Amino acid sequence: RKEVEQDPGPFNVPEGATVAFNCTYSNSASQSFFWYRQDCRKEPKLLMSVYSSGNEDGRFTAQLNRASQYISLLIRDSKLSDSATYLCVVNENYGQNFVFGPGTRLSVLP
Amino acid sequence: EAGVAQSPRYKIIEKRQSVAFWCNPISGHATLYWYQQILGQGPKLLIQFQNNGVVDDSQLPKDRFSAERLKGVDSTLKIQPAKLEDSAVYLCASSFSGLPNEQFFGPGTRLTVL
Repeated sequence: RKEVEQDPGPFNVPEGATVAFNCTYSNSASQSFFWYRQDCRKEPKLLMSVYSSGNEDGRFTAQLNRASQYISLLIRDSKLSDSATYLCVVNENYGQNFVFGPGTRLSVLP
Repeated sequence: EAGVAQSPRYKIIEKRQSVAFWCNPISGHATLYWYQQILGQGPKLLIQFQNNGVVDDSQLPKDRFSAERLKGVDSTLKIQPAKLEDSAVYLCASSFSGLPNEQFFGPGTRLTVL
């Protein structure tokens, strides 16, 4: 079983749609969680950290469910510029051992 | 503020040759990471440094890969000898400390092994 798994994608959605991505992790002792965004042929960049209580940043909402060991990312009112690969990242040992998921590709269509 | 610098940006070599990549992290960042990203996959951590010490190299293929960060600033990653399956983008990242803070990535080095 892979340590971090994500929806396989790709997701093709029209502008203005709401889209949700899921991520599951195998190590129940994992401590920190993040969503990164990676544009085609570019480096990953932090989108948002994921807090236990859930957090929102504009059109983006992240949720963490420790009991079920999954993380979600919700994007509302999708923009063309949201087209990218979204990487789920789990920190298994405080400050060490960052594990990236395989990513879910999103294409927002006009 | 200058970002993470990497060189070269592209490298093409034949199998069994050697290659080295260089990374200069953001000034003041104590933690430096090297990742391997194969096409269609997420980045895989190869090695993590805290200043000039190694804190995690559990996924580094030590028979052919080596890395150093002698003065706790810039770092080099070497592959000797290269195999076809080493074709990937090698990403360097840095963060302010060993805590699970935001990692800032460099543009990467795209390696093709023929």
